[in-house]
Amino acid sequence: DVKVTQSSRYLVKRTGEKVFLECVQDMDHENMFWYRQDPGLGLRLIYFSYDVKMKEKGDIPEGYSVSREKKERFSLILESASTNQTSMYLCASSTRETQYFGPGTRLLVL
Amino acid sequence: QKEVEQNSGPLSVPEGAIASLNCTYSDRGSQSFFWYRQYSGKSPELIMSIYSNGDKEDGRFTAQLNKASQYVSLLIRDSQPSDSATYLCAVNQGSFGTSYGKLTFGQGTILTVHP
Repeated sequence: DVKVTQSSRYLVKRTGEKVFLECVQDMDHENMFWYRQDPGLGLRLIYFSYDVKMKEKGDIPEGYSVSREKKERFSLILESASTNQTSMYLCASSTRETQYFGPGTRLLVL
Repeated sequence: QKEVEQNSGPLSVPEGAIASLNCTYSDRGSQSFFWYRQYSGKSPELIMSIYSNGDKEDGRFTAQLNKASQYVSLLIRDSQPSDSATYLCAVNQGSFGTSYGKLTFGQGTILTVHP
């Protein structure tokens, strides 16, 4: 069974804080993805990674960065959190094309 | 901009009826198509994938693909209240070698099955 875990289910941060969201998968998948999901806007891709230390921008990378030092772990970093980054953040991993999602982190930035 | 469009919904059907969810996509080169189900407050879970024209059945679910019309649908037979969720259509637009498995998601269709 594919398992994707995320470090927190709920997170409350203050404007300007640096925020780290962690994602770990246990299936040796090459590809990992970070999305945010907002009502009416659907799932939007922030960044993805197709190998260790490799990353590509998605559709909305502004204000975010990522790190993939090990194959199983993909981190999303909010350099300076802003209120418009309040959202549900979803991590996914895949081998080839089928993506499996983690449980999500609901982030509130005050 | 490569797009995936779903019928806007929300869709409400009585228990036992067939629910029909539709999706169109813009890139003719798309090869792989997926339906995800997302319960309120939960993450998406894969329920069907389809790669070839025609129908693919899995229990009460049938996915239909028509690449000429750039159309993919999901039928849910004998709908149950537990099927009430948001259904997301996802398309891999482009070959895997260039897309790294990136999916483009539709906005989702909210389905409610009432007893």
